[in-house]
Amino acid sequence: DIVLTQSPALAVSLGQRATISCKTNQNVDYYGNSYMHWYQQKPGQQPKLLIYLASNLASGIPARFSGRGSGTDFTLTIDPVEADDTATYYCQQSRNLPTFGSGTKLEIK
Amino acid sequence: QVTLKESGPGILQPSQTLSLTCTFSGFSLSTYGMGVGWIRQPSGKGLEWLANIWWDDDKYYNPSLKNRLTISKDTSNNQAFLKITNVDTADTATYYCARIGPTTRFAYWGQGTLVTVSS
Repeated sequence: DIVLTQSPALAVSLGQRATISCKTNQNVDYYGNSYMHWYQQKPGQQPKLLIYLASNLASGIPARFSGRGSGTDFTLTIDPVEADDTATYYCQQSRNLPTFGSGTKLEIK
Repeated sequence: QVTLKESGPGILQPSQTLSLTCTFSGFSLSTYGMGVGWIRQPSGKGLEWLANIWWDDDKYYNPSLKNRLTISKDTSNNQAFLKITNVDTADTATYYCARIGPTTRFAYWGQGTLVTVSS
């Protein structure tokens, strides 16, 4: 299994930048693509795809969200954060059988 | 517009078999590159991928649960199914189905169905 490691929680002031990290124990790059995706899950709701293949914005997602990284180190950035961004954020790899990170709970101060 | 909706028994007893149905619209599981995946989430915990089925009937399972899982599809009726045998309380969770494409990202999710295993 490819293991994805995320920090459990992050607190950021309204209007500032939030950077959420995801580290893998194996390289998730393959033929020029990084098979890393990011999801947002608000309480009581299903997850929503934000970023796919490390840096591509999913349909309908505001440009405040961005992703970068390759190999084993990836980040999701929200800039600037809004109150509605309070949620848990998960990374997921699809280089091998899918696995998810444990999630980072974002608090907006 | 892609939509998915999960349905299940709500509650079942330990050792029983859990049968879940995902009914979807806006895509076809006979289309090249399309697939449906199942993911679950115990209350207050993270996401666990369970299984994927593809347009060509290729199937993949989470190795930690593989012996207990069976995924299948009914292309004509736009449905996908998941069975989990010999359930116990650890299988209590919200179960989601999601549409997947060639990069196996879960692009569209259903609202989830809560399954409780209790005697």
